[in-house]
Amino acid sequence: AQSVTQPDIHITVSEGASLELRCNYSYGATPYLFWYVQSPGQGLQLLLKYFSGDTLVQGIKGFEAEFKRSQSSFNLRKPSVHWSDAAEYFCAVKTSYDKVIFGPGTSLSVIP
Amino acid sequence: ETGVTQTPRHLVMGMTNKKSLKCEQHLGHNAMYWYKQSAKKPLELMFVYNFKEQTENNSVPSRFSPECPNSSHLFLHLHTLQPEDSALYLCASSQDPPVGTSDDTQYFGPGTRLTVL
Repeated sequence: AQSVTQPDIHITVSEGASLELRCNYSYGATPYLFWYVQSPGQGLQLLLKYFSGDTLVQGIKGFEAEFKRSQSSFNLRKPSVHWSDAAEYFCAVKTSYDKVIFGPGTSLSVIP
Repeated sequence: ETGVTQTPRHLVMGMTNKKSLKCEQHLGHNAMYWYKQSAKKPLELMFVYNFKEQTENNSVPSRFSPECPNSSHLFLHLHTLQPEDSALYLCASSQDPPVGTSDDTQYFGPGTRLTVL
């Protein structure tokens, strides 16, 4: 069965520092991959998605993610974090026949 | 109004009450979803509607009753809930299967924060 893991439950970074959030998935073929962000009390907002093609995907708010088939990973990165990036981040996968499965989330705190 | 809207944003109800959550999507999608988000737990898919037909029910208790009168509106009727049902209830929509240049990405509403006393 497909699954998604986000190894880091909580991450704290200083404002202006770089960020990498990890996501690993379990599936035999290439899934569709997503990163969503959720601010406190809000719904999920799509940051970026990978369906096919270039394995480095650019998203909104300066985020990017890289699909690495050999590592079954889809890590999210940002070169310089802003205080407004503090939120919960969810990785999600979808195969051709299944619905979307979400990871448990990584909570990001930003120190001024 | 654009995107996916949900009302009310906050709801407090007793265990004997009956209430309904409403979701409306303005994206022209044909599939709609209810998710439950509890503290410290992954997002749980509850129901899926595609072209107004329920295509998935993930063993949700009967005290939750969905209704999809058309492809733009989705309701979740609540009755005799339990305190453990307190959570953020999220609605999402997508175009499934994709048409033309669209894809089947799910777009979420802001959620209804439900508290059951």
